[in-house]
Amino acid sequence: NAGVTQTPKFQVLKTGQSMTLQCAQDMNHEYMSWYRQDPGMGLRLIHYSVGAGITDQGEVPNGYNVSRSTTEDFPLRLLSAAPSQTSVYFCASSPPGRDYNEQFFGPGTRLTVL
Amino acid sequence: AQTVTQSQPEMSVQEAETVTLSCTYDTSENNYYLFWYKQPPSRQMILVIRQEAYKQQNATENRFSVNFQKAAKSFSLKISDSQLGDTAMYFCAFMEYGNKLVFGAGTILRVKS
Repeated sequence: NAGVTQTPKFQVLKTGQSMTLQCAQDMNHEYMSWYRQDPGMGLRLIHYSVGAGITDQGEVPNGYNVSRSTTEDFPLRLLSAAPSQTSVYFCASSPPGRDYNEQFFGPGTRLTVL
Repeated sequence: AQTVTQSQPEMSVQEAETVTLSCTYDTSENNYYLFWYKQPPSRQMILVIRQEAYKQQNATENRFSVNFQKAAKSFSLKISDSQLGDTAMYFCAFMEYGNKLVFGAGTILRVKS
């Protein structure tokens, strides 16, 4: 198993550009989520999904869109990038069957918005 | 909303010594999980240890142990026999019902030789 994979590892955008951060897992996990990590603030939940076709907002959803058309993939879209979205982004997934589960994290994407 | 507080932004310890990282949290829930994650310079998030709130016994994983005080809402991490490879950022995290994690701001731990 490759676990949780994220692409790209690094990205530089200009203000107003759009892009999609990719996340995939091959563990048949139902739960997937996106976090952003900023200095001095830990990780904060952006969006999450409890299964294909179901998504919901986390703590800091503004400026981001998600969709979940398959169990494996959970892309994060920035429609119009802003400097405030400069951050490190982590995707995570959890196995099904329980309400409290260890989350497996991807390697992260470092995004810089100029 | 649940909050997690790590009051020590940075700590250092000599190799082979013991260090304790502090974490407090605020919640009105009775059932929850607590985690410590390690983030080395590679940026990968690595689970160190977890504690289930309904278990009174403190979790232990090799050199890592926790002191879980449910009434005080405290969840500290003790690292024994510190090694250079323990140098990393450590995050305390609270898991709400439904697998959502709430993280503290993190503590940078430096192990000195």
